[in-house]
Amino acid sequence: GAVVSQHPSRVICKSGTSVKIECRSLDFQATTMFWYRQFPKQSLMLMATSNEGSKATYEQGVEKDKFLINHASLTLSTLTVTSAHPEDSSFYICSARSGGSQETQYFGPGTRLLVL
Amino acid sequence: GQNIDQPTEMTATEGAIVQINCTYQTSGFNGLFWYQQHAGEAPTFLSYNVLDGLEEKGRFSSFLSRSKGYSYLLLKELQMKDSASYLCAVMDSNYQLIWGAGTKLIIKP
Repeated sequence: GAVVSQHPSRVICKSGTSVKIECRSLDFQATTMFWYRQFPKQSLMLMATSNEGSKATYEQGVEKDKFLINHASLTLSTLTVTSAHPEDSSFYICSARSGGSQETQYFGPGTRLLVL
Repeated sequence: GQNIDQPTEMTATEGAIVQINCTYQTSGFNGLFWYQQHAGEAPTFLSYNVLDGLEEKGRFSSFLSRSKGYSYLLLKELQMKDSASYLCAVMDSNYQLIWGAGTKLIIKP
């Protein structure tokens, strides 16, 4: 099956700093990538959808200036949490899809962010 | 290595009961999740099990046996809208999610 990787797997940072998370599709070209956030024992919450070469589409309530998403190539998308605060501590998961909306999404292993 | 196994596809009849199995081998265990995903949509959370036993939530129930590395999702009184993919995911000792490939459930009238 298709493989999606994320880096780093976990990160601890000080409040006010910025953190970049990478999401890579390793053996397929991802025309669309999704970024999710998951708080403990809760549902995945979609943050944004990005198409290669286009601006990301953010879900309601997600600050686009705080969560910067770049999808510059068909195999890489990055999420930058700017000026992170303790309430941003969460589990961030990306997924990637190779084709249209009927194609399967493949999920990455997630990145655990802890902001002190 | 780490591995999650679930059937690729299942077919069931409207009004019936279906059980979707998931077996796992992971480095450590910090809970097992089931998600439902309709075609073209984001997955939605169904259940979380971290202790052995059955968790019931309406028409859906999820069972876990940690000693056997086994879980199942039980769907009762199937409705056409239950046609979707069901994803099993395990959180390992590093709190990484190991995802199954998903089981596509087809409901027939």
